[in-house]
Amino acid sequence: DAMVIQNPRYQVTQFGKPVTLSCSQTLNHNVMYWYQQKSSQAPKLLFHYYDKDFNNEADTPDNFQSRRPNTSFCFLDIRSPGLGDAAMYLCATSRDRGSSNEQFFGPGTRLTVL
Amino acid sequence: GQNIDQPTEMTATEGAIVQINCTYQTSGFNGLFWYQQHAGEAPTFLSYNVLDGLEEKGRFSSFLSRSKGYSYLLLKELQMKDSASYLCAVMDSNYQLIWGAGTKLIIKP
Repeated sequence: DAMVIQNPRYQVTQFGKPVTLSCSQTLNHNVMYWYQQKSSQAPKLLFHYYDKDFNNEADTPDNFQSRRPNTSFCFLDIRSPGLGDAAMYLCATSRDRGSSNEQFFGPGTRLTVL
Repeated sequence: GQNIDQPTEMTATEGAIVQINCTYQTSGFNGLFWYQQHAGEAPTFLSYNVLDGLEEKGRFSSFLSRSKGYSYLLLKELQMKDSASYLCAVMDSNYQLIWGAGTKLIIKP
């Protein structure tokens, strides 16, 4: 089945220790998104890629970086995680960027910062 | 600023009907989405409305009024598995999704 896969599902890191989260998709979608979601809050868009075109949200901290080496893969790097970065990180894809393009989500990576 | 409002929590009885409301103020409008999110899981797509009116899909229906900046999600014949959060999201003029915080729906036997 075509899908969005995230690894790992659970990640524990120490304060200040870099961490990389990965996302892959078999849907061949043009757009990939990274969201941060904290408990009982709306998902917060961090970045999105339209093909290779990188789009950074204005309020995404510099501590967060992203890479999309090819259509199928996208990575989220957190350079120096703080306690406030503990959250669920959701990767999503959409076929295109226009209206009616629903987003398909991966299962998420729950990040714990000790 | 852009804003999506939904009730924080609702409770309903198994077998009943529940309506979850969403009001929005966004810069432009390119459609409204409803997603279901079970605790600890990713959101899954339920419905998309871009024109005024009611879209029906099995036990779930979604309504949109663009002039009022208002939508609702109607769930019929509630089942215990419908216990989840329901997220309203609006696509703005830049084709970005603006998300509500979600409505936690609790189903009681």
